[in-house]
Amino acid sequence: NAGVTQTPKFRILKIGQSMTLQCTQDMNHNYMYWYRQDPGMGLKLIYYSVGAGITDKGEVPNGYNVSRSTTEDFPLRLELAAPSQTSVYFCASSYSATSSYEQYFGPGTRLTVT
Amino acid sequence: QKEVEQNSGPLSVPEGAIASLNCTYSDRGSQSFFWYRQYSGKSPELIMSIYSNGDKEDGRFTAQLNKASQYVSLLIRDSQPSDSATYLCAVIPPRGGGNKLTFGTGTQLKVEL
Repeated sequence: NAGVTQTPKFRILKIGQSMTLQCTQDMNHNYMYWYRQDPGMGLKLIYYSVGAGITDKGEVPNGYNVSRSTTEDFPLRLELAAPSQTSVYFCASSYSATSSYEQYFGPGTRLTVT
Repeated sequence: QKEVEQNSGPLSVPEGAIASLNCTYSDRGSQSFFWYRQYSGKSPELIMSIYSNGDKEDGRFTAQLNKASQYVSLLIRDSQPSDSATYLCAVIPPRGGGNKLTFGTGTQLKVEL
């Protein structure tokens, strides 16, 4: 299993541009999450999904959108990029059917908005 | 009050010593607790999960949970230079769904030769 994969690894955007961060997992996990991590800070939840077709906001959703059309994929869309969105973005997944709630992370996307 | 609090460090320990990392949480109903290790420039890696009061051991790692004191800790025995990383404490609070994690800001551990 590849686990959780994310593309791209790095990206530089100009202010006002848009982009989609891709996330795919091959573990048949039903729950998926997007976090951002700013220097010296903990991870903040942007959006999460408990299954295909179901998404909900996390702690810092403004400026982002998500969709979940399949179990495997959970893309994060940035519209009208702003410097405040410069961060490292991590996707994670977990499986709710067991009694453990462990989340497993992808390698991250480092985004700079200038 | 932050939901999950950790001392940012750095915590410096000599090689071979025991490193003790601490975390407190504010939501008394929290039931699930996790420790992640994060090397610089890398993603968080799950190293321990604990759900019941007491100790849970896995190799050189021991997680300790005290729900009455709202305190969870991670002990690393025989610390190695490769243990040098930031350790993130994470908690699933009781409210809401989706098993969402709330993270502390992490403790930087340095294991010195």
